[in-house]
Amino acid sequence: KNQVEQSPQSLIILEGKNCTLQCNYTVSPFSNLRWYKQDTGRGPVSLTIMTFSENTKSNGRYTATLDADTKQSSLHITASQLSDSASYICVVHSNFGNEKLTFGTGTRLTIIP
Amino acid sequence: SQTIHQWPATLVQPVGSPLSLECTVEGTSNPNLYWYRQAAGRGLQLLFYSIGIDQISSEVPQNLSASRPQDRQFILSSKKLLLSDSGFYLCAWSPRDPTGELFFGEGSRLTVL
Repeated sequence: KNQVEQSPQSLIILEGKNCTLQCNYTVSPFSNLRWYKQDTGRGPVSLTIMTFSENTKSNGRYTATLDADTKQSSLHITASQLSDSASYICVVHSNFGNEKLTFGTGTRLTIIP
Repeated sequence: SQTIHQWPATLVQPVGSPLSLECTVEGTSNPNLYWYRQAAGRGLQLLFYSIGIDQISSEVPQNLSASRPQDRQFILSSKKLLLSDSGFYLCAWSPRDPTGELFFGEGSRLTVL
């Protein structure tokens, strides 16, 4: 069964500090992996997509990595801002079978001033 | 550009009452449409998805139903709400390409009392 596990479940850091969120998956066959940001009470918004051949991709202060061999991805946030407080959800896409999208349960990130 | 609208944003309903949540997409044709539920502290659970008018697939047995009367309209309904139906409901659409990106609506917070 396809699974996506995220860690930590929650994280509190001071404004200006860096942090790294983890995503491990067992989805097969793998098509791509996305990180979504979900503000409280809002719908998730895609931050970045990682395909099989990509190791690192940046989107502003967000940097995602992918290790397709170990089936791990990380999202690194640099110089955190209060607006980074949100849930970050890892979603793995498989283009085969019935389970096309497998969602992680998310990491709840809180930035404190 | 494409937009997705979902309403109502907030709903408080008594047990046993009916439900209708509506979602419309603008700026695209033949989208895949989805209804997700997000319980507090839980991941996104796929309820229904649709690849075309009147083509609905249900992922989990439940007290809810979905309909797609028009290409860009997706409706989530219930004849009699249960307490367990409370949650945050998200409508989403995706293009027909294989990247798997979802574009979410703003969500509907349902509280069943």
